[in-house]
Amino acid sequence: DAKTTQPNSMESNEEEPVHLPCNHSTISGTDYIHWYRQLPSQGPEYVIHGLTSNVNNRMASLAIAEDRKSSTLILHRATLRDAAVYYCILRDRPSGTYKYIFGTGTRLKVLA
Amino acid sequence: DTGVSQDPRHKITKRGQNVTFRCDPISEHNRLYWYRQTLGQGPEFLTYFQNEAQLEKSRLLSDRFSAERPKGSFSTLEIQRTEQGDSAMYLCASRAAGTGLAGELFFGEGSRLTVL
Repeated sequence: DAKTTQPNSMESNEEEPVHLPCNHSTISGTDYIHWYRQLPSQGPEYVIHGLTSNVNNRMASLAIAEDRKSSTLILHRATLRDAAVYYCILRDRPSGTYKYIFGTGTRLKVLA
Repeated sequence: DTGVSQDPRHKITKRGQNVTFRCDPISEHNRLYWYRQTLGQGPEFLTYFQNEAQLEKSRLLSDRFSAERPKGSFSTLEIQRTEQGDSAMYLCASRAAGTGLAGELFFGEGSRLTVL
C-alpha cells in the first residue's frame, strides 16, 4: 500500500544538518506530503507537512521537488534526541477515506 | 496531560484469551484511528472512526478483532482468542475535525501485547 520510498537507515553527526529523502513518484495533485517520526518506545509524532511549496517549522524544513515526485526532510542541526525512525507519508483521499499509510521509514542514527 | 492516552500500556496473555485495549483521544478530536506495529515495521492501519461511526476497516482486522467507539469519545479494541501472531504494539491516534488532508495525527504511546 505504501506509495513512498525511503532509505532504510542514515547516519549523521551531532549538530550537523541531516537531509532525509523520500521518493513518491506516483503522487497525485491532491496528495499532501506528511512526515512523522517515532522515537524509541513511543508512538509516532507529527513533524511537518506540505503540498507544493517548501515549508518550515520549529522542528524541521520540508523541501518539495518542483515535480512533487520527491521531497526532503531537513533537520538543520541534528541532536541525539533526533535519533528516531522518520516516516514519509502521502495523504490522499481514495474513496473518501482519510487513511494514513506508513512505510518502514528511515532509521536515523545521530553520532555524538 | 491532554494527549491521547491508552490503557493498559502492557498486556501479557496466554494464547486463546481475550484482551481489550482502551483509547482516550484528545477531547475535541472526533477522528480516531487504530494501528498495529510489529518490530521493525511501520504502523499498519487497522480501523478508522469518525465520531461513533466506524468508516473503514483494514483486511488485517480479522473476525477476531472488533473495535467500538460507542459515544464518539473513547474507543476499545478487542481481540478474541488471541494468537501468538497478535503480539504487537497497538497504537491509537486522533485527529481534529475539519483538518482534512492536512490534518495532524496525535498518537498515544501504545499498548504492547505479548501472547504466550
